[in-house]
Amino acid sequence: AQSVAQPEDQVNVAEGNPLTVKCTYSVSGNPYLFWYVQYPNRGLQFLLKYITGDNLVKGSYGFEAEFNKSQTSFHLKKPSALVSDSALYFCAVRENSGNTPLVFGKGTRLSVIA
Amino acid sequence: DTAVSQTPKYLVTQMGNDKSIKCEQNLGHDTMYWYKQDSKKFLKIMFSYNNKELIINETVPNRFSPKSPDKAHLNLHINSLELGDSAVYFCATHSPHGDTQYFGPGTRLTVL
Repeated sequence: AQSVAQPEDQVNVAEGNPLTVKCTYSVSGNPYLFWYVQYPNRGLQFLLKYITGDNLVKGSYGFEAEFNKSQTSFHLKKPSALVSDSALYFCAVRENSGNTPLVFGKGTRLSVIA
Repeated sequence: DTAVSQTPKYLVTQMGNDKSIKCEQNLGHDTMYWYKQDSKKFLKIMFSYNNKELIINETVPNRFSPKSPDKAHLNLHINSLELGDSAVYFCATHSPHGDTQYFGPGTRLTVL
């Protein structure tokens, strides 16, 4: 069975500082990994994904994530946080076997303080 | 144009009522999903449809009945609403090219 763990409920960071939101996963096959962001009272917006290829993936709004197979991790990062990055971030995984639904982590609330 | 749209955005109703939530996509994707986000923000798959056929039904009570009249629509009908059905329901589609799921804006259902 697939699973995703986001160990932090909340991450606080000062504006301009680098941010990291952690994610680890468990799948039996090859993982397809995703990050989504949810702003208050809004739907989920796709940020980035890892399917294959380079372990460092760049996405929307200056975010990037690094796939680490040995540590089964896919941490989300940004070199310089903005107040507008404050939102709920979800890591998700699915196995590379057809149109299977995503399994989501519980979400991490990012708060960027001016 | 909105790629994945849902109506209504908010739905407040009494226990025991029957209600429907509609989802429409203009992306031409074959696969559509319904996810439920509870009060703790946990997101969980409910149903998966591929080309109007039910593929996955994740232990959802049979009071919930998805209907796909065509590839562009996946509606969710809920009978005999219960307090525990209060949640945000998200529709999503799956792009076979690039393997990304696109989510609708959500429908916040409140059962009183």
